[in-house]
Amino acid sequence: GESVGLHLPTLSVQEGDNSIINCAYSNSASDYFIWYKQESGKGPQFIIDIRSNMDKRQGQRVTVLLNKTVKHLSLQIAATQPGDSAVYFCAENKGTDKLIFGTGTRLQVFP
Amino acid sequence: NAGVMQNPRHLVRRRGQEARLRCSPMKGHSHVYWYRQLPEEGLKFMVYLQKENIIDESGMPKERFSAEFPKEGPSILRIQQVVRGDSAAYFCASSPPGGQTQYFGPGTRLLVL
Repeated sequence: GESVGLHLPTLSVQEGDNSIINCAYSNSASDYFIWYKQESGKGPQFIIDIRSNMDKRQGQRVTVLLNKTVKHLSLQIAATQPGDSAVYFCAENKGTDKLIFGTGTRLQVFP
Repeated sequence: NAGVMQNPRHLVRRRGQEARLRCSPMKGHSHVYWYRQLPEEGLKFMVYLQKENIIDESGMPKERFSAEFPKEGPSILRIQQVVRGDSAAYFCASSPPGGQTQYFGPGTRLLVL
């Protein structure tokens, strides 16, 4: 089923540290997963994606890990910067259909 | 290459009025999706359209809401007789044919007084 809205969990990190944001997805048939970053007053911005036939994918300063056994997804941000402060959502997809979003995590970066 | 465009960015309506939200997909994208977001929540799927066809409207309320994506022009999400509970941010996303990655517009923030 779809996630239910809750007060957003918050992750606070110091500038320069690494951040790890976690997400549990719901549909074992999902074959595509995306991480989005949403800044206040803006639309979700694509960060990185991964298909179900992969366990890990790296981008610039970001890495996504997929554990299909426990239906868990994580986003790692290296050397976190103030500009990384935002709400991060994972989303799952099966085929070219609707995205199902997680509840989101607010990342706060302090100097 | 322009991204997904939505207008208006902000819309204020009184209860009972109609709201029309427009979305122009990215160039080359023929799939359009509409999502609704309440404060402090994730986006919730509403409807998925291709040109002149509604593919999946499982997330649309049964009454007062409709969507279209005509052969020419933007996709329109229409809310008739708005109520305060319709106040939310409405996001449009688009993807190319056969593509799974959805790219989002800046959203329309609807406030119903």
